[in-house]
Amino acid sequence: DQQVKQNSPSLSVQEGRISILNCDYTNSMFDYFLWYKKYPAEGPTFLISISSIKDKNEDGRFTVFLNKSAKHLSLHIVPSQPGDSAVYFCAASAMDSSYKLIFGSGTRLLVRP
Amino acid sequence: DVKVTQSSRYLVKRTGEKVFLECVQDMDHENMFWYRQDPGLGLRLIYFSYDVKMKEKGDIPEGYSVSREKKERFSLILESASTNQTSMYLCASSQIGGPQHFGDGTRLSIL
Repeated sequence: DQQVKQNSPSLSVQEGRISILNCDYTNSMFDYFLWYKKYPAEGPTFLISISSIKDKNEDGRFTVFLNKSAKHLSLHIVPSQPGDSAVYFCAASAMDSSYKLIFGSGTRLLVRP
Repeated sequence: DVKVTQSSRYLVKRTGEKVFLECVQDMDHENMFWYRQDPGLGLRLIYFSYDVKMKEKGDIPEGYSVSREKKERFSLILESASTNQTSMYLCASSQIGGPQHFGDGTRLSIL
């Protein structure tokens, strides 16, 4: 049973436009959410996180939104750049097991020049 | 910057061999983790350690063991390698309550 789901395996966006990556979760105990970016032949790189006491966190071109009632989070990238082309993973953890992250299966983003 | 170093980028071993994957972090992080990444499955946790000599099983520990004798080093051991353990292996470390930082991975092939 997948507790963290990324239902879109891929997304293609024009350079300069907004990229929206989505993630759903089922465990209501999750209270800390993260996004990672992964290039081929490299490890995942931490991008941005949000705790459940917030509904939005922004860092430069990256914004994460959390909708707890819908158990949904999204990552917005504005404006998208070709260098953003990568696989994006969302991950979640619960305070009582804060060491463990549960990852989604990833979404491959392609930003077209 | 956090540096997590995995000893090998690519490794080819034979079925039945004992395989050691090494990971070192330089940020004095308490927590260290081993994952495997397979297409369509995301990252799955094999084992993690929250202190020296302390370890806990993750979601898929079968066929693996770990060792953490020093704070900066976390080893993953495949006791008797099998072909279904062919995968990308990723090590990560974190402070308590902080995000995990990953190494570049070891692509392991078991023939």
